[in-house]
Amino acid sequence: QKEVEQDPGPLSVPEGAIVSLNCTYSNSAFQYFMWYRQYSRKGPELLMYTYSSGNKEDGRFTAQVDKSSKYISLFIRDSQPSDSATYLCATSYSSASKIIFGSGTRLSIRP
Amino acid sequence: NAGVTQTPKFQVLKTGQSMTLQCAQDMNHNSMYWYRQDPGMGLRLIYYSASEGTTDKGEVPNGYNVSRLNKREFSLRLESAAPSQTSVYFCASSEGQGDTEAFFGQGTRLTVV
Repeated sequence: QKEVEQDPGPLSVPEGAIVSLNCTYSNSAFQYFMWYRQYSRKGPELLMYTYSSGNKEDGRFTAQVDKSSKYISLFIRDSQPSDSATYLCATSYSSASKIIFGSGTRLSIRP
Repeated sequence: NAGVTQTPKFQVLKTGQSMTLQCAQDMNHNSMYWYRQDPGMGLRLIYYSASEGTTDKGEVPNGYNVSRLNKREFSLRLESAAPSQTSVYFCASSEGQGDTEAFFGQGTRLTVV
């Protein structure tokens, strides 16, 4: 079993829709939870990170962590064509430990 | 500010050849990583270095070696390339102390024929 599982998609939604991206993880010792965005033929870049449980909001993006169910979510409101990318969830045990990634979900926003 | 720089950007190798992928960061980060990315597999950790002088195996270390030359540089070596090592390789770095944000290079596209 992979430590972080993510539906690879692809996911295609119309512009303006709310997008929900999800991951599950297996180890309750994970403390840091991150979402990275990767455009085609580019390196991933950090979108948001959360320490432990709870929600974090940044503009149109909301990251949510539910440690009781080992579930990580990213919500995108008012989705734009420029949001089309691959989204990778990631976790780590501590700030100095290795970062483990999910397989990524390819998202396409239709104009 | 260049961030994380990887060289080369593209490489074609014949089976059995060796090569070293270079990575350098200018952010004074403690931790550095090498990942490979294959379709449908996401980013898989090959090796990482939590700090200068230390290296640890990741999920897929077989066929690779690494050297943390100094705080800035972390190289990945393929001693005898195999077609299964055809992939996009990403180097990343993070502060590693209270900050998990990893910064990635642009990647090296490696093809082994």
